[in-house]
Amino acid sequence: DAGITQSPRHKVTETGTPVTLRCHQTENHRYMYWYRQDPGHGLRLIHYSYGVKDTDKGEVSDGYSVSRSKTEDFLLTLESATSSQTSVYFCAISAIQETQYFGPGTRLLVL
Amino acid sequence: SQQGEEDPQALSIQEGENATMNCSYKTSINNLQWYRQNSGRGLVHLILIRSNEREKHSGRLRVTLDTSKKSSSLLITASRAADTASYFCATDAVQAGANNLFFGTGTRLTVIP
Repeated sequence: DAGITQSPRHKVTETGTPVTLRCHQTENHRYMYWYRQDPGHGLRLIHYSYGVKDTDKGEVSDGYSVSRSKTEDFLLTLESATSSQTSVYFCAISAIQETQYFGPGTRLLVL
Repeated sequence: SQQGEEDPQALSIQEGENATMNCSYKTSINNLQWYRQNSGRGLVHLILIRSNEREKHSGRLRVTLDTSKKSSSLLITASRAADTASYFCATDAVQAGANNLFFGTGTRLTVIP
């Protein structure tokens, strides 16, 4: 987990509220990713970034938006949280388009 | 879906034994990676094997890749209690671009001391 932090680490929120998760890296890596991990589904890519202000959608992007205004920060926003977005969210970084390094995760519970 | 599938879903062995996990995937790839996840933690990269490679070693890890069968195996030799974790294969997809990694659902390995 060195070089990558996620905040908050745990969050409980109510349906319909906006939620923002933050990923911060100190490695100056170009690529950053947001995944969600659910039982029976493994990890699924939500959005990724290939540079400042350059982002693209992943496999499960509906209901999520991202922003990257600085190399070191990648924000994931749930515009209006739903119970189906209860999950563990992982941020990952990579210098080239191969090996990814993961943060410690954020556990989100939407009631 | 491009998602890989690991087999078995769970594996329990005695310390000192070898552990073998398999991964199957669906479409052409550039490379395949194996990751490990300890309970409550993020994933840690173990090894990457490229599509033109058939076998790769790293310490007690041995990975094979058979692109004709679209499958890979991860062998952990002389297992230790500390190897207890979930293991995931991850593939890129040639047509999806290298940014998209597709993870399987994982094999839960328990090594009994």
